[in-house]
Amino acid sequence: GAVVSQHPSWVICKSGTSVKIECRSLDFQATTMFWYRQFPKQSLMLMATSNEGSKATYEQGVEKDKFLINHASLTLSTLTVTSAHPEDSSFYICSAERTGGIDTQYFGPGTRLTVL
Amino acid sequence: GENVEQHPSTLSVQEGDSAVIKCTYSDSASNYFPWYKQELGKGPQLIIDIRSNVGEKKDQRIAVTLNKTAKHFSLHITETQPEDSAVYFCAASSGGSYIPTFGRGTSLIVHP
Repeated sequence: GAVVSQHPSWVICKSGTSVKIECRSLDFQATTMFWYRQFPKQSLMLMATSNEGSKATYEQGVEKDKFLINHASLTLSTLTVTSAHPEDSSFYICSAERTGGIDTQYFGPGTRLTVL
Repeated sequence: GENVEQHPSTLSVQEGDSAVIKCTYSDSASNYFPWYKQELGKGPQLIIDIRSNVGEKKDQRIAVTLNKTAKHFSLHITETQPEDSAVYFCAASSGGSYIPTFGRGTSLIVHP
């Protein structure tokens, strides 16, 4: 149990376009989901925390108008990178905390975004 | 806020040897300490965790120890295998809304 999926696994887009990444908890409900960004050979950087039915909480330095997060249901959160630029190229990973669980986060497989 | 230091950044061992990765944390309120394994191009996978009311936890070849007084916790892998090669992250968080602070990661290389 506790499987988290992400789609797509990789995406290449042109500069100026928007890209949507989906994060799903497949076999559990997740009141809270998290979005991370990871640069090569570095640790995970928390971008935002999203709670089902409410606005996401963004970490300092993360532009909320550029990285739109929607958590419309207990099993789905989406991250939209708007007007993408090459510097947005990165590995984006989501995680989910099981509703009523004991604080454990389960991570998705990640999405590799390349902006040309 | 919480600060987690992880050492070493790279660890190279021979197959069959043991590997130890150490982390320290700064916030005495932290009470949950998970360890994640991340293979290249994949998301982190939880491999073991420990809570502050326990000093040691073991799962087959993997064990984690926690010293609350010294604010450090360690991951021990025995009888290492090439498939153990990956980046390992420690993390620490306090209870309630779970937002962990991650260490910088340890790249473990197990040579056959």
